[in-house]
Amino acid sequence: GDSVTQMEGPVTLSEEAFLTINCTYTATGYPSLFWYVQYPGEGLQLLLKATKADDKGSNKGFEATYRKETTSFHLEKGSVQVSDSAVYFCALNRYNQGGKLIFGQGTELSVKP
Amino acid sequence: DVKVTQSSRYLVKRTGEKVFLECVQDMDHENMFWYRQDPGLGLRLIYFSYDVKMKEKGDIPEGYSVSREKKERFSLILESASTNQTSMYLCAGGWGVNQPQHFGDGTRLSIL
Repeated sequence: GDSVTQMEGPVTLSEEAFLTINCTYTATGYPSLFWYVQYPGEGLQLLLKATKADDKGSNKGFEATYRKETTSFHLEKGSVQVSDSAVYFCALNRYNQGGKLIFGQGTELSVKP
Repeated sequence: DVKVTQSSRYLVKRTGEKVFLECVQDMDHENMFWYRQDPGLGLRLIYFSYDVKMKEKGDIPEGYSVSREKKERFSLILESASTNQTSMYLCAGGWGVNQPQHFGDGTRLSIL
């Protein structure tokens, strides 16, 4: 069945470092892909999305490109801030099942000043 | 500001109790979802609803039921709470394929 695999955390970086969080997926058809972020004590918020191959989603300095050939959707940011400390979830929209999502296990990011 | 609101942030109940978790949305979502979030497991879908009075089982429906009598309200029911249902519960709403879901802040439920 469909699945999403993320790199394990926690990831600890210094402020202004480059961030990559890996996400790969297996899916039937052509799913939409999403990154969500969860700040401490809050629910999930949509960070960015891509709906077809080679699409690049971007928001708040974060980017991810939908790579069909490698079934990947890695999250990147050129210069992280302390305020980016959160848990990041990669997700895909299940093919032919309406709006249901499958989530990865989440990657915790901690940014130190 | 449009929102998905969960009635409780923290809840403590005893084993065997019937527990109700409430979720209300003001975004006119057709679809609503209940997830549980556990460390290392991400979010797992319990139940979802695509219309009033319509519901479908998700990946882990055992021990849970749901109710959607009105479009804006989606309730999760633990019929007889057990300690292995201690978790963070997240409600979400969405409009369908390729559209993002909007989440509430979650209810951290402890079953003693």
